[in-house]
Amino acid sequence: AQSVTQLDSHVSVSEGTPVLLRCNYSSSYSPSLFWYVQHPNKGLQLLLKYTSAATLVKGINGFEAEFKKSETSFHLTKPSAHMSDAAEYFCVVSDHSSASKIIFGSGTRLSIRP
Amino acid sequence: ETGVTQTPRHLVMGMTNKKSLKCEQHLGHNAMYWYKQSAKKPLELMFVYSLEERVENNSVPSRFSPECPNSSHLFLHLHTLQPEDSALYLCASSQTPRSGTGLADTQYFGPGTRLTVL
Repeated sequence: AQSVTQLDSHVSVSEGTPVLLRCNYSSSYSPSLFWYVQHPNKGLQLLLKYTSAATLVKGINGFEAEFKKSETSFHLTKPSAHMSDAAEYFCVVSDHSSASKIIFGSGTRLSIRP
Repeated sequence: ETGVTQTPRHLVMGMTNKKSLKCEQHLGHNAMYWYKQSAKKPLELMFVYSLEERVENNSVPSRFSPECPNSSHLFLHLHTLQPEDSALYLCASSQTPRSGTGLADTQYFGPGTRLTVL
């Protein structure tokens, strides 16, 4: 069975400091992993995805994530937070077998302090 | 975001009303999805259409009825809803790598319809 756990429901950082949003997954297969961002009153937008190529994945807006199979983690990072990064972030795991196997995490709300 | 549009953006309805949500994708994709996003709950997949055939129906109550007349349009027909159905309803589309599975590739989301059931 697949699952995804976002370890923090809320993260608050100061502008200009690093961002770390944590995600752990479990999957019986070699999964695809995604991070999506949702700004207030907007739909979800893909930040980046891992599909068994390079383990360090670079996404939009300076975000990146590293797939660590030994730790079953896919944490999202950014070296320097910007006010516009304030949003909800979702980690997603998929094992390709069916649409119902696309599992969304519960989300992490990122707040940026001036 | 303009690749997938949803109308209306906001909807308030009574429990006896009948309404429909509309989704349109302009990306040439062959799969479309309905999700329900409630406060403090993970995103819930409701329906998936791949090549205009429904391939997933995740135990959604019959008061929600999807319709996919072609690969670009997806509707969610609503009738006799309950207050607990109030949520943000998101539509998404993707280009599936294989026919009939409707998934696993990047999904592109619309802005959602904020539904309030009184």
